[in-house]
Amino acid sequence: GENVEQHPSTLSVQEGDSAVIKCTYSDSASNYFPWYKQELGKGPQLIIDIRSNVGEKKDQRIAVTLNKTAKHFSLHITETQPEDSAVYFCAASNQSPYAGGTSYGKLTFGQGTILTVHP
Amino acid sequence: DGGITQSPKYLFRKEGQNVTLSCEQNLNHDAMYWYRQDPGQGLRLIYYSQIVNDFQKGDIAEGYSVSREKKESFPLTVTSAQKNPTAFYLCASSSLAPNRGFYNEQFFGPGTRLTVL
Repeated sequence: GENVEQHPSTLSVQEGDSAVIKCTYSDSASNYFPWYKQELGKGPQLIIDIRSNVGEKKDQRIAVTLNKTAKHFSLHITETQPEDSAVYFCAASNQSPYAGGTSYGKLTFGQGTILTVHP
Repeated sequence: DGGITQSPKYLFRKEGQNVTLSCEQNLNHDAMYWYRQDPGQGLRLIYYSQIVNDFQKGDIAEGYSVSREKKESFPLTVTSAQKNPTAFYLCASSSLAPNRGFYNEQFFGPGTRLTVL
């Protein structure tokens, strides 16, 4: 099955700095890579995702890059703000029900990164 | 107001008791999922269902059971066979994108925190 490794486990930055979180995955059939933000006591919220047919995607201060050959993808947050402080999770999945098998749509998550942005 | 609801928010149970966690969605999503989250860890998949009356075991299904009798509901029962049930339980759902051949993103509910006394 799929295995996702996420680093670092904790990340502390000053407000205005950039933050980068990296993930690697093992299953070359994975074609969908979402990033979630989880605040204390709440469910995760999707902040950005990327599919395997593109190498980079941006949404304002957030960007994700994907290297299919090396099987790794990264989250980049620029101009960090205190409200960016949370736990961030990466995940990987084969999203196509036509790829065969029954494991499609199933997300495998990384271990999470606790991001702290100091004012 | 569309979304995923989970109830209760907090649940306490004595050892040896079964308990059922509720998950309802009004997003008309095809697939539903249950995850378990332990402190400092990622989310681990317990069960998932892609269609009514069908479900698949995830990575940590032992000690849990589910049903999917209706599209909008996917209750999870934590049985007395689950050796360490204290955790934060998250339900999610996603839709199959029509004519695109893949599932859309998963949306999560607010979670239920289960504590075994």
